[in-house]
Amino acid sequence: DQQVKQNSPSLSVQEGRISILNCDYTNSMFDYFLWYKKYPAEGPTFLISISSIKDKNEDGRFTVFLNKSAKHLSLHIVPSQPGDSAVYFCAANGQGAQKLVFGQGTRLTINP
Amino acid sequence: DSGVTQTPKHLITATGQRVTLRCSPRSGDLSVYWYQQSLDQGLQFLIQYYNGEERAKGNILERFSAQQFPDLHSELNLSSLELGDSALYFCASSVVAGNTEAFFGQGTRLTVV
Repeated sequence: DQQVKQNSPSLSVQEGRISILNCDYTNSMFDYFLWYKKYPAEGPTFLISISSIKDKNEDGRFTVFLNKSAKHLSLHIVPSQPGDSAVYFCAANGQGAQKLVFGQGTRLTINP
Repeated sequence: DSGVTQTPKHLITATGQRVTLRCSPRSGDLSVYWYQQSLDQGLQFLIQYYNGEERAKGNILERFSAQQFPDLHSELNLSSLELGDSALYFCASSVVAGNTEAFFGQGTRLTVV
């Protein structure tokens, strides 16, 4: 039962353009969402989060949007830089839940 | 540097053997999580401890067990190892359990031959 889904295994974007990574979830009890970035041979690194009381959270070049009615969130990276090339994981947590549930990840490649 | 330390970084062992993976959480973090990442797979939650007590269990095999010690470090024990247990094992920690970001260690790459 995949409660958090990232349907695009990979995404390729030109440097300087916008990267949009998508994530869908099925559990309506989830109320806190996070994005992690992972380079090869390293652990995931926390990037940005959003609570269900908000629909947008921005941190520099990174913005996360949450659409609760569609159970969908997205991560926008503007402008994309070569150093953004990594695997991005979406994660979710719900009230009373003790764990983060992760999606399968999307491999983002930024082309020069 | 996330502040979470995992040892060893790499481990190669034979089928049927038993190994112990160790995790030291960030200073002040009470919650420790273990995740498994098999080749090209997402992060599968295994188990979580909070201040020494088991709080949540995921898809953890009966051959696997874990514990969190009074000094808050945690160990994941994997026994009767099979080829399919080869994976990256990540430990993460957070201040509390629940709605907060967790910080990950660099992982232990386990290869079962």
